[in-house]
Amino acid sequence: DIQMTQSPSTLSASVGDRVTITCRASQSISSWLAWYQQKPGKAPKLLIYEASTLESGVPSRFSGSGSGTDFTLTISSLQPDDFATYYCQQYNSYSPWTFGQGTKVEIK
Amino acid sequence: QVQLQESGPGLVKPSETLSLTCTVSGDSMNNHYWSWIRQPAGRGLEWIGHIYTTGTTKYNPSLKSRVTVSVDTSKSQFSLRLSSVTAADTAVYFCATGYSFAENWGQGSLVTVSS
Repeated sequence: DIQMTQSPSTLSASVGDRVTITCRASQSISSWLAWYQQKPGKAPKLLIYEASTLESGVPSRFSGSGSGTDFTLTISSLQPDDFATYYCQQYNSYSPWTFGQGTKVEIK
Repeated sequence: QVQLQESGPGLVKPSETLSLTCTVSGDSMNNHYWSWIRQPAGRGLEWIGHIYTTGTTKYNPSLKSRVTVSVDTSKSQFSLRLSSVTAADTAVYFCATGYSFAENWGQGSLVTVSS
């Protein structure tokens, strides 16, 4: 299976901060990467797919980049509603879906 | 937009079979992939497997020997069966739709494995 490693595990930030989360795949996955946001007690919500395509309805302050093995999720100006846990997920067709361990964005 | 709702027992005994159903509304089930994903408390997400509306399945190799996913388009439902459960199978189980990534999710169903 393809292993996904996110960093950091926890991130403390303030409203208005620029936030970057990194996701690394154990082998190349081209651009087959999605990002999700999950709030406590809720299902994850799709934010980005194909590494950089914003899902409909997702605010433009979210952006994704990368290809191959290294990817980033950036929140350009953190808003109160953005405090949550973020997961990356690879979807290489020859491997089962696998997720990163998550990055919790906390209030500083 | 498609909506999904999980249902099933919240408590299963060790060594028994966990069974969950996901009811789909708001769109046809045809020509879509339907997935099961689980999340142990305080931990990350694990993809269990998916099914296409024709019945073609793909499972996570780590669970493949114990998992069966089935679909009944006439009832707008798809189901998960996980056999020989242990405490390690205690988790919130989500149903979702999407071939490569999960576009829409159910709210999740907590299943506890305990005697």
